[in-house]
Amino acid sequence: DVKVTQSSRYLVKRTGEKVFLECVQDMDHENMFWYRQDPGLGLRLIYFSYDVKMKEKGDIPEGYSVSREKKERFSLILESASTNQTSMYLCASRQGTVSSGANVLTFGAGSRLTVL
Amino acid sequence: GESVGLHLPTLSVQEGDNSIINCAYSNSASDYFIWYKQESGKGPQFIIDIRSNMDKRQGQRVTVLLNKTVKHLSLQIAATQPGDSAVYFCAERKSNTGKLIFGQGTTLQVKP
Repeated sequence: DVKVTQSSRYLVKRTGEKVFLECVQDMDHENMFWYRQDPGLGLRLIYFSYDVKMKEKGDIPEGYSVSREKKERFSLILESASTNQTSMYLCASRQGTVSSGANVLTFGAGSRLTVL
Repeated sequence: GESVGLHLPTLSVQEGDNSIINCAYSNSASDYFIWYKQESGKGPQFIIDIRSNMDKRQGQRVTVLLNKTVKHLSLQIAATQPGDSAVYFCAERKSNTGKLIFGQGTTLQVKP
């Protein structure tokens, strides 16, 4: 089974701190994604990456950046955390856009971030 | 703008009954529509998808219906079980980028 592992399940940070959320997948998937999940808003795409060293802005990239130095790892960075970034963050991966599995995103269990 | 929405935030059904979860979408430039299930404490999991040129697809105990005329998508679960209790998300895949845009989610509660 594909596994997507998010390094931290729960984090508490202070306003202005730099925050790193790490995500690792073990099935050599090309594409990786970061979403945030908020009540009543569903999942909103922050950033995604089609391949190593490639990144594309999603629908809500402001206040975030990402890094994909290796194929298996996709990091989400909050340069200066703010209280409105308190949320559940979900990482996902998939084989690729044209493969038969292109609709099957495999998600990690999520990282719940609280910014005080 | 782009949005994928669900009609009801919460749906409560009796165990053994059929469940119907609805979703409306506004963007027609999508080649697939997909349903995901999120159990408590876990990330969403793929359930079933349907290509935009189809109107019905069946899986194991689940059926997805797509009505492009009214831009409506539904997930039907037969003989609902307690293990079906979860949040269900519809999503559409943008045909030009492959991005998945998710709806807000419907919580399905199964009463014993």
